[in-house]
Amino acid sequence: EPEVTQTPSHQVTQMGQEVILRCVPISNHLYFYWYRQILGQKVEFLVSFYNNEISEKSEIFDDQFSVERPDGSNFTLKIRSTKLEDSAMYFCASLYPGSSTDTQYFGPGTRLTVL
Amino acid sequence: DAKTTQPPSMDCAEGRAANLPCNHSTISGNEYVYWYRQIHSQGPQYIIHGLKNNETNEMASLIITEDRKSSTLILPHATLRDTAVYYCIVRVAVNNNAGNMLTFGGGTRLMVKP
Repeated sequence: EPEVTQTPSHQVTQMGQEVILRCVPISNHLYFYWYRQILGQKVEFLVSFYNNEISEKSEIFDDQFSVERPDGSNFTLKIRSTKLEDSAMYFCASLYPGSSTDTQYFGPGTRLTVL
Repeated sequence: DAKTTQPPSMDCAEGRAANLPCNHSTISGNEYVYWYRQIHSQGPQYIIHGLKNNETNEMASLIITEDRKSSTLILPHATLRDTAVYYCIVRVAVNNNAGNMLTFGGGTRLMVKP
């Protein structure tokens, strides 16, 4: 069964450094998402991406964040200058639209630790 | 904010049915009910979704009341591996750029006990 994959599984970085989190969505999916979950808190939506542009974003997704689909398979989340409060699990998801299949499938996540 | 209300925790004996309730009294006519679960810190896992009819798949059954203001997820024979946080989410179908995001609440922490 096709899966969303994410790399790395764990990223440790110093405050102020740039990080890029990578995702490979399910191959025929058209919508792509990033969510995050700070330890002990709810899963929070960051951004959705469709047709090579951002379709929705939350207040969390400020100028420090950017997303890109550099080729036909990868979907990346870049944090330009990490802060301590960016430490969280980051989940990628993808979706193929349709009334019976309109479902987001999530990857296993990347644990980001900012020191 | 999440448009659903769920009990924060529930226990279930292994092998018995787990019935997880969800209230969504402000649901709109074009909103689906989705259920996901999250085992420990893994990515949320899709379980089932429905609009107004009851649904069943290999993982679970979804019972939606006639007025659509509440639903129940049923795991027919819970196992220890079903211990997880279960999220009930309402969302419109994808329509170009509208209604794509999932809004997670606190969910129900289901503990399946031997």
